[in-house]
Amino acid sequence: TQLLEQSPQFLSIQEGENLTVYCNSSSVFSSLQWYRQEPGEGPVLLVTVVTGGEVKKLKRLTFQFGDARKDSSLHITAAQPGDTGLYLCAGDPAMRFGAGTRLTVKP
Amino acid sequence: GAVVSQHPSWVICKSGTSVKIECRSLDFQATTMFWYRQFPKQSLMLMATSNEGSKATYEQGVEKDKFLINHASLTLSTLTVTSAHPEDSSFYICSAREDAQQFFGPGTRLTVL
Repeated sequence: TQLLEQSPQFLSIQEGENLTVYCNSSSVFSSLQWYRQEPGEGPVLLVTVVTGGEVKKLKRLTFQFGDARKDSSLHITAAQPGDTGLYLCAGDPAMRFGAGTRLTVKP
Repeated sequence: GAVVSQHPSWVICKSGTSVKIECRSLDFQATTMFWYRQFPKQSLMLMATSNEGSKATYEQGVEKDKFLINHASLTLSTLTVTSAHPEDSSFYICSAREDAQQFFGPGTRLTVL
């Protein structure tokens, strides 16, 4: 079973602060995906990382895939209240999710 | 990105009845679909992997006779919750795979009275 651990599970910060969310596993993944979920909705895909060491940027979000393809991080620069939500990572091929990081950005 | 729909978006039923939830990939064909369950303030829990034309693969602890999955075409998978009970009340979400990416449906909220 490919288990994913996310940390922190809860994060409450002020608007403008930076933050990093981690996704770790002892398993190697062929790819890893990050999602954001709003209450009562399905997760929305943010990014897919495939290559070890890969870095992808999506506006203020930076995603990194570990060299060994066992872990990943999501860094948000200058967080905004609109970034509030549940951030989830899932690894391929099993597509099981970590526990998620519930982010609250206060104005 | 690709679009996945679910129907119904919410359903309320009496204990003991069966409920069918549909998951459709609207603009692509998906040989593999996934079914998840999510309880309030928790992450998504994978229930089963649905493969077109073959039996679904269930996660440990998920009763295959209670949660019937059918993936009869490349654009449709169904989850039937049989003899539903209040503890089955949850948010059920499906996803469909296109290449190396997963796209999720909007979810179905099931409430069993």
